[in-house]
Amino acid sequence: ETGVTQTPRHLVMGMTNKKSLKCEQHLGHNAMYWYKQSAKKPLELMFVYSLEERVENNSVPSRFSPECPNSSHLFLHLHTLQPEDSALYLCASSQDRADTDTQYFGPGTRLTVL
Amino acid sequence: DAKTTQPPSMDCAEGRAANLPCNHSTISGNEYVYWYRQIHSQGPQYIIHGLKNNETNEMASLIITEDRKSSTLILPHATLRDTAVYYCIVRVYGGSQGNLIFGKGTKLSVKP
Repeated sequence: ETGVTQTPRHLVMGMTNKKSLKCEQHLGHNAMYWYKQSAKKPLELMFVYSLEERVENNSVPSRFSPECPNSSHLFLHLHTLQPEDSALYLCASSQDRADTDTQYFGPGTRLTVL
Repeated sequence: DAKTTQPPSMDCAEGRAANLPCNHSTISGNEYVYWYRQIHSQGPQYIIHGLKNNETNEMASLIITEDRKSSTLILPHATLRDTAVYYCIVRVYGGSQGNLIFGKGTKLSVKP
């Protein structure tokens, strides 16, 4: 266990559905991240939050909407997704956003869009 | 793009040392070398990191060459549970601070 939990672990949704992914970290960290891992592709950083403020958004389509209500929780709201959005979505946290802070990952949510 | 080069796959016998190489010839003086691994369908797991000195923890050892252009991750006694994709990452300094840029990694298969 890394201290980062994600729910649900698996999610199947239609293109017209709205769903949310949840991440919670129990490490007292100040920074949280969303990554996407598609089949046979490297991990792609989607969003970065530091002290509950979004500090980076790597050209992610607006059908992905992050929310960070406090430093322990991070959500990824999904709506009108496409089949190519099917992937493993990973949450991570680190103490701060320093260049050398170790990031700890959750187990991921396996998303399938039909 | 990842700033590291790793072999795509390696095999190792159970109980033997697994030595995973990584080339990072363009590394800057203030960039760290990080190693993560990802067991199938799980999130990446932090292993170890270093700047220029060799490092050891309960999971592995990291050997960095004097010119810092390459490094080796050593799992001293590999077990079947060490089968995973191992990522060598050079931390980006400045600009996109805090980001990890993952390459394709090395798929390590530990065999009985």
